[in-house]
Amino acid sequence: GAGVSQTPSNKVTEKGKYVELRCDPISGHTALYWYRQSLGQGPEFLIYFQGTGAADDSGLPNDRFFAVRPEGSVSTLKIQRTERGDSAVYLCASSHSGGAYDTQYFGPGTRLTVL
Amino acid sequence: ILNVEQSPQSLHVQEGDSTNFTCSFPSSNFYALHWYRWETAKSPEALFVMTLNGDEKKKGRISATLNTKEGYSYLYIKGSQPEDSATYLCALIDGQNFVFGPGTRLSVLP
Repeated sequence: GAGVSQTPSNKVTEKGKYVELRCDPISGHTALYWYRQSLGQGPEFLIYFQGTGAADDSGLPNDRFFAVRPEGSVSTLKIQRTERGDSAVYLCASSHSGGAYDTQYFGPGTRLTVL
Repeated sequence: ILNVEQSPQSLHVQEGDSTNFTCSFPSSNFYALHWYRWETAKSPEALFVMTLNGDEKKKGRISATLNTKEGYSYLYIKGSQPEDSATYLCALIDGQNFVFGPGTRLSVLP
């Protein structure tokens, strides 16, 4: 079956611009996660959705970052006034119900480069 | 903040060698540990979910053990092959989300 997909696969933008990154989770998965991975580090948690609502957004670094999941499936991560430090691979994952023992299935990521 | 460490940071082995690496974590408030393999230009792939002290899981040539009392998990690869080259990540549950270690980058040389 179809896995988690993310678009675009690569995004190059200029400092100060606005970007949107999209995630299509596995159909039927209620839990959706966004992570950011910088070079040499493991993925860093950003936000977790359970259905349409953000159950935990404690990982969002500042108010330039925002994410939505209006219909409980596709999610969009939005970054305003991008900075060079936002350059990273942004990973999305989904799981069946979001429990501690649930496997998270990851997309291939979006590589964001801010010039 | 949950601190998850992995060692070594990177590892080079010859094809056919067996290898292992470590994930370390605080032993208190343990719920579950997940191992992932992340090959370049692909999605991270789930390997194991470990929940109980003494757990041992096996998938082909890869196996993992868990010691929650002392706060570590080992991942073993028997007879490494070039296709095993990847970054191996462990993640622990902190509240409702995963905290990942920095990963061990394995390169298997033919």
